[in-house]
Amino acid sequence: KAGVTQTPRYLIKTRGQQVTLSCSPISGHRSVSWYQQTPGQGLQFLFEYFSETQRNKGNFPGRFSGRQFSNSRSEMNVSTLELGDSALYLCASSYKGHEQYFGPGTRLTVT
Amino acid sequence: KNEVEQSPQNLTAQEGEFITINCSYSVGISALHWLQQHPGGGIVSLFMLSSGKKKHGRLIATINIQEKHSSLHITASHPRDSAVYICAVISDDMRFGAGTRLTVKP
Repeated sequence: KAGVTQTPRYLIKTRGQQVTLSCSPISGHRSVSWYQQTPGQGLQFLFEYFSETQRNKGNFPGRFSGRQFSNSRSEMNVSTLELGDSALYLCASSYKGHEQYFGPGTRLTVT
Repeated sequence: KNEVEQSPQNLTAQEGEFITINCSYSVGISALHWLQQHPGGGIVSLFMLSSGKKKHGRLIATINIQEKHSSLHITASHPRDSAVYICAVISDDMRFGAGTRLTVKP
């Protein structure tokens, strides 16, 4: 089985722009979660989607949003980028809440 | 105070040593993950446990729900075990410890 894939792997944006990141889960996995990792805050939970519904959301501003499609692929969007949004964004998929499988991450740099 | 506390923050060991990393949490949880992150960012889930003990190769994870504490043990450590180990608890959402940076010297 192919693993979790994320695109793009690296991205450079300027302040004020918006960005969309994509995550394709392992085939058969319907749960996709997104995380942000920064040197200062460590790993933080963004949101979780299951069967196209947001099941849980972390403590992030409304500039961070996501969605999940019928094929379980998920996207997250960050609008009006700030310097502090520079981070590694990770997604993970799981089968019915079991063990999570992480993608390689998208490293976003905001200048 | 963080809801998930890991200790130690950094750990250096000689190859072959027995290693223990600890995780304490203050919230009610349904499960706990131990994650391994190598340089470059890739994260691997080592264990997901909600009670007792799990073993996989040289790795052993235990959890005591009453004491809100979990430990990750590595037996016969090897330089390839060098990584950051992160404890994550599943509560209302997933909350993470700050990680333990392990360096195993040959």
